[in-house]
Amino acid sequence: DVKVTQSSRYLVKRTGEKVFLECVQDMDHENMFWYRQDPGLGLRLIYFSYDVKMKEKGDIPEGYSVSREKKERFSLILESASTNQTSMYLCASSGARTYNSPLHFGNGTRLTVT
Amino acid sequence: TQLLEQSPQFLSIQEGENLTVYCNSSSVFSSLQWYRQEPGEGPVLLVTVVTGGEVKKLKRLTFQFGDARKDSSLHITAAQPGDTGLYLCAGERGGANSKLTFGKGITLSVRP
Repeated sequence: DVKVTQSSRYLVKRTGEKVFLECVQDMDHENMFWYRQDPGLGLRLIYFSYDVKMKEKGDIPEGYSVSREKKERFSLILESASTNQTSMYLCASSGARTYNSPLHFGNGTRLTVT
Repeated sequence: TQLLEQSPQFLSIQEGENLTVYCNSSSVFSSLQWYRQEPGEGPVLLVTVVTGGEVKKLKRLTFQFGDARKDSSLHITAAQPGDTGLYLCAGERGGANSKLTFGKGITLSVRP
């Protein structure tokens, strides 16, 4: 089974801090994604990557950046955390660029910014 | 404007009841996926439908893709407490680098 591991389940940070969310997958998947999930808004795509050192903006990239130095690891960076970035963050991976390739999600990181 | 509208937003039913929930759009999709998310976990894929009119069954769950590939339904027969969760549909329009678009989800609670 594909395993997508997010380094922290819960994180509390202060406004203005730089925050790193880490995600590792063990199935040699090319594609990795970062979403945030908020009540009433569903899942929204922040950034994604189709290859090492490659990144593309999703629907809500403002205030975030990403890093993909190795195929198995995709990091989400909040350069200066703000309270409106309090959310559940979900990492996902998929193995092909075909249109019906399923996403495999991690269990999420619940970030609170105070 | 939400590309994929899911309804109803919330549903609370008794164990043993049947239910149908919907995922609708004005756009055509190459495929639709259904995920279930349990509290404290990430979404897990239930099914992918790719052909207009396609019906797929997964034990007590029946998924249908509309003929025009703009909508989908999920029917659960004899719901059980283990079916409780958030049901998400996600559509992809196809083409190179196409991304999934998620609906807001349907929260289902099945009471014992």
